[in-house]
Formats: sequence, C-alpha cells, structure tokens
Amino acid sequence: DTAVSQTPKYLVTQMGNDKSIKCEQNLGHDTMYWYKQDSKKFLKIMFSYNNKELIINETVPNRFSPKSPDKAHLNLHINSLELGDSAVYFCATTRGAEQYFGPGTRLTVT
Amino acid sequence: AQSVTQLGSHVSVSEGALVLLRCNYSSSVPPYLFWYVQYPNQGLQLLLKYTTGATLVKGINGFEAEFKKSETSFHLTKPSAHMSDAAEYFCAVSAASGGYQKVTFGTGTKLQVIP
Repeated sequence: DTAVSQTPKYLVTQMGNDKSIKCEQNLGHDTMYWYKQDSKKFLKIMFSYNNKELIINETVPNRFSPKSPDKAHLNLHINSLELGDSAVYFCATTRGAEQYFGPGTRLTVT
Repeated sequence: AQSVTQLGSHVSVSEGALVLLRCNYSSSVPPYLFWYVQYPNQGLQLLLKYTTGATLVKGINGFEAEFKKSETSFHLTKPSAHMSDAAEYFCAVSAASGGYQKVTFGTGTKLQVIP
C-alpha cells in the first residue's frame, strides 16, 4: 500500500498551459503539504492544509492554487505555466513533526 | 524563526570510511530535528529523528546522529560507508509555530561514495 501517492509522476507541458497534480494519502494524517524542489535540490514549502483548511501559504505566485476536497487529498493546480515552474513537486503528510513524502511529480515546462 | 545550515553541499568518502554530514540549526523554541535521505528520482524518507530524551539517536541503515544543544548541532554519522549510501541528505528542524509544527529543511548534502 502506497502511503502518499502522486499523479502524474512526469508532466511535460508548454508555457501558458494549465495543469494539475494530484496527491492522495491513506495514512489518516490531518496535515498535508506541497513542496517544490528546484534543480539544485533546494526544498521549499509552498502550502500546508490541516483538515482541509489552509494553514501555511508561503510566498507563491497566485497562479498556484491548492485544493483539498477532503482530508485524504490535496491537489495543486497551476495556471499559465512558466519556464521557472519546472521542478519536482512533492506532496507530504505529517504526524506530529515527522513528514511522509510522496514520490514526486517532475514538471517540465517547455 | 528557525533555520538549518548544512555545511558542505557535496561530501565524498571512500567505501568503508566514516561518513560525517554536518547540520547546525537555530530555533527560538525547543526543536525536533530530523535527517532525511533522498535517492535519485525518489521522494525523501526519514533516516532518524530527535524529539526528546536520549541525545544520541540511531536510525536506519546504520546511521546515527547526536543532538548537541550547546553547539546547536545535529551531525549525521555512519562508521563505514557503503556504495548504497550515495544519495542526497537533508537535515530538518521542526518547531511549534501558531499551533502547528513548522518544518524547515536544509539545502541538502550530496554524498558520493568512492569504490
């Protein structure tokens, strides 16, 4: 059983398009996150939801919009994709302070 | 406010040699400390963590780390490196903030193991 899953694993798209990445967890954790990892492996938190409520919203362009339809899902929608959005996006959940990461979605914008 | 500094973005060791990856943190409240490992094209997985109690913590794959409050450090060690240890390692600090645990990651250290 995969604890935190993401779809798709790879996403190649053109500038200006809109795309979504989905995340699902079966751990029953209340808090979920989206992280962006750039080409230098730097991991930056983007958003966090607790029980479907947004609790962390770092300095992220408003082209990025997270949506949590229920406790087990946290999706990320990106409008008007730009070259600089190319990165690996990780979903994670937390129990206490320990984080459980998904396998990542590698987004390439051409 | 909290921060994490990992000294050395790249570390190379010979197979069988000691692994030492350095991590220093700052936190205004007592922190929880973590080391995560990321293998190529994979997500991060927990190696070990310090929350309270014993300051020397043991993790998976023979790794351990010691919390030294006076030095604000949480260095990761392994007595003998294996080829399979080659990966990216991230130190992280977590502390209570606004009723939630806020996690901050270091910039990562890439460990290369030379045969």
